[in-house]
Amino acid sequence: DAGITQSPRHKVTETGTPVTLRCHQTENHRYMYWYRQDPGHGLRLIHYSYGVKDTDKGEVSDGYSVSRSKTEDFLLTLESATSSQTSVYFCAISESHRLNTGELFFGEGSRLTVL
Amino acid sequence: GQQLNQSPQSMFIQEGEDVSMNCTSSSIFNTWLWYKQDPGEGPVLLIALYKAGELTSNGRLTAQFGITRKDSFLNISASIPSDVGIYFCAQGGSEKLVFGKGTKLTVNP
Repeated sequence: DAGITQSPRHKVTETGTPVTLRCHQTENHRYMYWYRQDPGHGLRLIHYSYGVKDTDKGEVSDGYSVSRSKTEDFLLTLESATSSQTSVYFCAISESHRLNTGELFFGEGSRLTVL
Repeated sequence: GQQLNQSPQSMFIQEGEDVSMNCTSSSIFNTWLWYKQDPGEGPVLLIALYKAGELTSNGRLTAQFGITRKDSFLNISASIPSDVGIYFCAQGGSEKLVFGKGTKLTVNP
């Protein structure tokens, strides 16, 4: 199994509070991704990173920011959480050559509930 | 933006039955992928397809890359209880993978 750790795995918070989810990898992969999974919507890309300090937006980036100061860590921040951000968040990693094969390795997910 | 239409949304079958699901795209891509998500886990790549018309098998799973390059099919033969989960199609070959909404499969023993 790919070495991907997401934390926290579960979090309940209140509307308006800041939240940071962390993805940590031990594979030294270049690419890291944050997806959210919601019933009826499948997996939607929030942000991704193609190197340290190099990030780009996905299809549902509004309300989210990311940072990658080290190869192994990719942080997802909700500056002011809203109920619409209640979701399961997945981190994924990939090496450059694996992008041609479409192989992403996913973490186990972080379930966030915003009350 | 690019959209993938995956059907059916859910399936309830008996153990031993064959399963078929498909995915269509509004645009042409060079790579079709099928992922499976077990309950409580992250998705895992099952099969990758790279050429129009390509037919690839992985055990009881068979997937095909449509000739028009806008669709793909996944078949599961002789289903077993551990086949339960959500199956996602995806289009890749670039930095961003686009996923379908998934087909949730339930297998009754």
